[in-house]
Order: sequence, then C-alpha cells, then structure tokens
Amino acid sequence: KQEVTQIPAALSVPEGENLVLNCSFTDSAIYNLQWFRQDPGKGLTSLLLIQSSQREQTSGRLNASLDKSSGRSTLYIAASQPGDSATYLCAVRQFSGTYKYIFGTGTRLKVLA
Amino acid sequence: DVKVTQSSRYLVKRTGEKVFLECVQDMDHENMFWYRQDPGLGLRLIYFSYDVKMKEKGDIPEGYSVSREKKERFSLILESASTNQTSMYLCASSIRILEAADTQYFGPGTRLTVL
Repeated sequence: KQEVTQIPAALSVPEGENLVLNCSFTDSAIYNLQWFRQDPGKGLTSLLLIQSSQREQTSGRLNASLDKSSGRSTLYIAASQPGDSATYLCAVRQFSGTYKYIFGTGTRLKVLA
Repeated sequence: DVKVTQSSRYLVKRTGEKVFLECVQDMDHENMFWYRQDPGLGLRLIYFSYDVKMKEKGDIPEGYSVSREKKERFSLILESASTNQTSMYLCASSIRILEAADTQYFGPGTRLTVL
C-alpha cells in the first residue's frame, strides 16, 4: 500500500533563506508527483507536477525534483518570503486498478519577516 | 484559468440531516473528486467520477453517496449526517484519466460542522 510521508511536519525560517521540503513515497510505480500549496482554511493550489519520466520541474523560485528509485521528491524554495507561509503537500498518482492520488500530510511553513 | 467552485464555504447541520455539497467546474474536465481533510490524516478520497453517471468509491465512502448527472457538476450527499463527518470537504477536477501530466484543480473547500 502506497504511503506518502512529509518531514518535517512544521518548519519556521527567517525571510531570505533557501529551504528544502521533503516528500517520500514507498511504491515507485507512479505516473507523477504533484506539489500543492494550501493557505489556512482554503483549497489546494497546484505548484508543480513532475511526470515519472522527468527529474525536475521549475517555476519561478520553486524547483521540484523526483528520484523514483529512492522514493523521494524535494521542493526547493529560493529566497523565501513571508508570503510563502502556507502548508505544502505532495501527492503521488500511482498505477493501480483505480485512479488515485495519495497525499502526504503536509509541511506547515512559516517564513518570519 | 480553471475554476472549481463549491456551493458553501461553511455549513452547520444537525445529526441525522441529509446534506448536499455541490461542486461545479467550468473547464469540461472528465474527472471529478471529493476528498475530506482532517488534521493529522491528510486528504482522503471519498468518491471520484470519470464520466457522467460514472462513479467509483475511494478510500472512505461509508456514509456518503455521490451524483453526477452533468459533466460540470459533482454532488456529495451525506444521507444522515453524523458528528464524525465534521470535516473540511474538498472537490477537485482533472482533464484526463491516463495522462502522466494530469493535474488536479481544487475548489476552495466547504467546512462542515455537524452538531
């Protein structure tokens, strides 16, 4: 059974730091991995999607990498800003009999001004 | 831009009531999903639909049913609400079921409280 883990559960950093969020998964038979951002009390916003054949994707200050063989993905945020404060979730879309995304429980990020 | 809307942001219901949560997407997506999100448990899939009138159970379908009569609308029904169904409910849609580039788009969520 696929399990997706995000460590740490919470992170607090001063503004301007470069930081890395981690996501690990137990079954490498996936179509893709997606990173989302969630603000308090709101829905999820897609940040980056990495297909299983890709190694990384970039959008602005965000870079996500995928290493299927080790079951890991990282989300790198450059020059963090207070506006980056949110919960970040990763989700894998796996091969299975049904169409499913499996979500991690998220990392709650606070960037201090 | 894809837009997914949910009928209510906040809802308070009493135990035993029948509850309808509505979700509408405006991008002609084939797939639609209902999740619930609880602290420490993350998002869990309740039901999904890959076509009109088609549905499949997710991980936690007990106590819920769904309806998809039109492509753009996916309804979640709590037949008899219970306090353990107090949660944040999130609807999502996506365009294709077999594409590795398939991206899920989420609505703003409905926070349901059952008293």
